[in-house]
Amino acid sequence: NAGVTQTPKFQVLKTGQSMTLQCAQDMNHNSMYWYRQDPGMGLRLIYYSASEGTTDKGEVPNGYNVSRLNKREFSLRLESAAPSQTSVYFCASSEPGQGISPLHFGNGTRLTVT
Amino acid sequence: GQQLNQSPQSMFIQEGEDVSMNCTSSSIFNTWLWYKQDPGEGPVLLIALYKAGELTSNGRLTAQFGITRKDSFLNISASIPSDVGIYFCAGHQSGTYKYIFGTGTRLKVLA
Repeated sequence: NAGVTQTPKFQVLKTGQSMTLQCAQDMNHNSMYWYRQDPGMGLRLIYYSASEGTTDKGEVPNGYNVSRLNKREFSLRLESAAPSQTSVYFCASSEPGQGISPLHFGNGTRLTVT
Repeated sequence: GQQLNQSPQSMFIQEGEDVSMNCTSSSIFNTWLWYKQDPGEGPVLLIALYKAGELTSNGRLTAQFGITRKDSFLNISASIPSDVGIYFCAGHQSGTYKYIFGTGTRLKVLA
């Protein structure tokens, strides 16, 4: 019963490098989200996908792109990493059609940009 | 961006003590959620509240959805060492796909 799976768990990048964070869920949820977590800032929404084929910006989308590859997978791409993007990134999913479905989170990707 | 005011920011308590934390907002929410995050892991849902005034328990945890729909609190009774972690509140407004999170309460339990 995997839930939400994120890869990689850790990553170190140099400024200007690019990478893609992967996320997959096996709960057949329609909605998926990418959050970043910084000390004292709580969780801030980067992008979300209400359903397969749609994506929308959250609070802090600058410097990121996303792809909703299919219903299961939602990836986050950093085209040119910056030190300000050092953070812990969480993917989450929910099923809004059944009342208000709480978010289910993965275990995070810890990214350091030097 | 919009965030919830969560307090206290951190707490150090003795094992066996009760704990209380709360979240307030200037906006009305239709759902309040409480999560716990252990080190190195993602947040895990503790309690979900769907109606103003609702009081819900999950073992030693009790949470309430404020009557004004602008606040919520979480109580933990008889704390134990495994209660250590960061507790987050989150609010959801109907008609949106967005959940707004508090800044977290870091709880440490002294044995």
